[in-house]
This record gives sequence, structure tokens and C-alpha cells, in this order.
Amino acid sequence: SAVISQKPSRDICQRGTSLTIQCQVDSQVTMMFWYRQQPGQSLTLIATANQGSEATYESGFVIDKFPISRPNLTFSTLTVSNMSPEDSSIYLCSARRGFGNTIYFGEGSWLTVV
Amino acid sequence: AQKITQTQPGMFVQEKEAVTLDCTYDTSDQSYGLFWYKQPSSGEMIFLIYQGSYDEQNATEGRYSLNFQKARKSANLVISASQLGDSAMYFCAMREDFYNQGGKLIFGQGTELSVKP
Repeated sequence: SAVISQKPSRDICQRGTSLTIQCQVDSQVTMMFWYRQQPGQSLTLIATANQGSEATYESGFVIDKFPISRPNLTFSTLTVSNMSPEDSSIYLCSARRGFGNTIYFGEGSWLTVV
Repeated sequence: AQKITQTQPGMFVQEKEAVTLDCTYDTSDQSYGLFWYKQPSSGEMIFLIYQGSYDEQNATEGRYSLNFQKARKSANLVISASQLGDSAMYFCAMREDFYNQGGKLIFGQGTELSVKP
């Protein structure tokens, strides 16, 4: 199984600031994804992090608000920009290795915007 | 459009008994994958079990089994011999673009399971 670590695990942020979440996988993976889980809700895909190219965003999410980087096959970052209280959520990184059937998740990053 | 439906917002089960969590899905794809994840209060998503659309046998992983009924488009999770540590939120999910190296998951709304001592 892949081990995925995220930093920070929790943070309290001021309105209007930006925060970058890091996701590190213990081995090379083909695909990495970022999800958002708002309080009491299910998970929604933000974007697919593509290695060496721009991320692919889902409907309702834009690069200016959620810039993503993936400089190599084991690391990705998600930035939540110009935060508002509505951005208070758990942000989860996930990864798929090769053609394997399992998709693993990190521990999540709990963001509270005040 | 693909969709996952979990109709049980909350479930209770007595310790050591079995429990079934319901999941139905909708897709026009012939090839797809179905997943169950457990999310404890800590927030992490723990992979439990996977079923491929062409798998003829129901998947099993320890105390977890997936009751896959393709014609009914259902993929129910069965937990046998429930333990107190099983208390958590459970999510059913489906993967798109199975043969296009996809990995995006569509999630249901979740079922909160409480195990009573």
C-alpha cells in the first residue's frame, strides 16, 4: 500500500490569506488528486495534479483559487488562495499507482478560516 | 452522468453482529470500479474493499465483503462481527475512465455507522 503524508494536518487561517498544503507519496505514482470535504459533506474532486503540466480542474474549481503544482512523481501541493470561511474544509490528497485498483488517501488537512 | 447513492444517513448495530451498508450506482460505462472507504473522526480515508465491474465473484477483505449485484447496480458493504472500532463514516465511491488510466472517484453521501456495546 502507498503511504501518503500531508502537511499541515490542521491549521487555523485568517480570512484573505493563502495556505499551501503539501502531499508526499512514498513511491512514484501515476496519478494524484486533490479533494475537498466541506463540514458534514461528502468528498468532491478539485483537480487532477498532472506531473510536468497544468492541473486539470473540475467544474466549479479554478486555478486562481486553487493553484496546484506537481513537480515530480511523488509530490504535489495545493494552495487555497484568498481564503474565506466557506473554504473551511478537509482537503485530501489521493494517489493511484500504475494500473492498480486501489486509490489511497492521505490523512487530510483540516483548514478552519476565521 | 455517474452517480452514487447511499440512502442510509445513519445506522446502528450491536457489537459482534453483522451489518449491511447500502450503495447503488448509476453509470453508462461498461467498465468501472467500486470502492468502499472508512472515515473515522480523525478524517483520514481508509480503503476497505474494491470490486471491478467484470469481477464475477464478490470481493472480500477480512471482515468486509461487497455484495455486488450488477443488474441492480448495487454494491452493498457487509461488515461481519462488528467491533466498537468500526464506528465511523463509510463512503461508497465509483471510479470513472476505468481503461483510460483514470483515477477520479465519485463519492456517495456516506453512512454513519455506530456500533453499540
